[in-house]
Amino acid sequence: KAGVTQTPRYLIKTRGQQVTLSCSPISGHRSVSWYQQTPGQGLQFLFEYFSETQRNKGNFPGRFSGRQFSNSRSEMNVSTLELGDSALYLCASSSGDRTGWNNEQFFGPGTRLTVL
Amino acid sequence: SQQGEEDPQALSIQEGENATMNCSYKTSINNLQWYRQNSGRGLVHLILIRSNEREKHSGRLRVTLDTSKKSSSLLITASRAADTASYFCATGRGGANSKLTFGKGITLSVRP
Repeated sequence: KAGVTQTPRYLIKTRGQQVTLSCSPISGHRSVSWYQQTPGQGLQFLFEYFSETQRNKGNFPGRFSGRQFSNSRSEMNVSTLELGDSALYLCASSSGDRTGWNNEQFFGPGTRLTVL
Repeated sequence: SQQGEEDPQALSIQEGENATMNCSYKTSINNLQWYRQNSGRGLVHLILIRSNEREKHSGRLRVTLDTSKKSSSLLITASRAADTASYFCATGRGGANSKLTFGKGITLSVRP
């Protein structure tokens, strides 16, 4: 099985611009979660999409948004970029089982975003 | 806010030695997962242990979970230079909430 893929791997943007990142989960997985990793704050949960619906959301401003398509691929968008948005953005794929037990979440290689 | 806190923050050992890393958390959990990250790349899933399990093994890895103490440990036996990486524990609440809450990580250096 192919792993989680993320594109692009690197991005450089300037303040005020917007950016769209893409994530393709493992085949058969219906849940995609997004995380932001910075040296100061560590790994923080942004949101999760399951069957094209946002199921969970972290504590990030509305500039951060996402969506999921019928093939489970997901995109996240950051509008009006700020310097503090520079980070490694990771997406994670899981089966999204709702029975009560979490399943393993498998991460992609990440997109390194630099905001100048 | 961080749920898990790993201990120690940094660990340096000789190749062939065992490495033990600890993680503590604050609230009740459904499961705990350990990940490895090399040089700011993606996270590699190592092992998941559920709240009703006490110990799991995977190759050279052994994970324990003590829910009464809200703590977990990851043991890497016979370490190799290739084990040099950052290690994170992440806790999950279960149900329809798939959010993982990560600790700050442990930097492991294995000297050849």
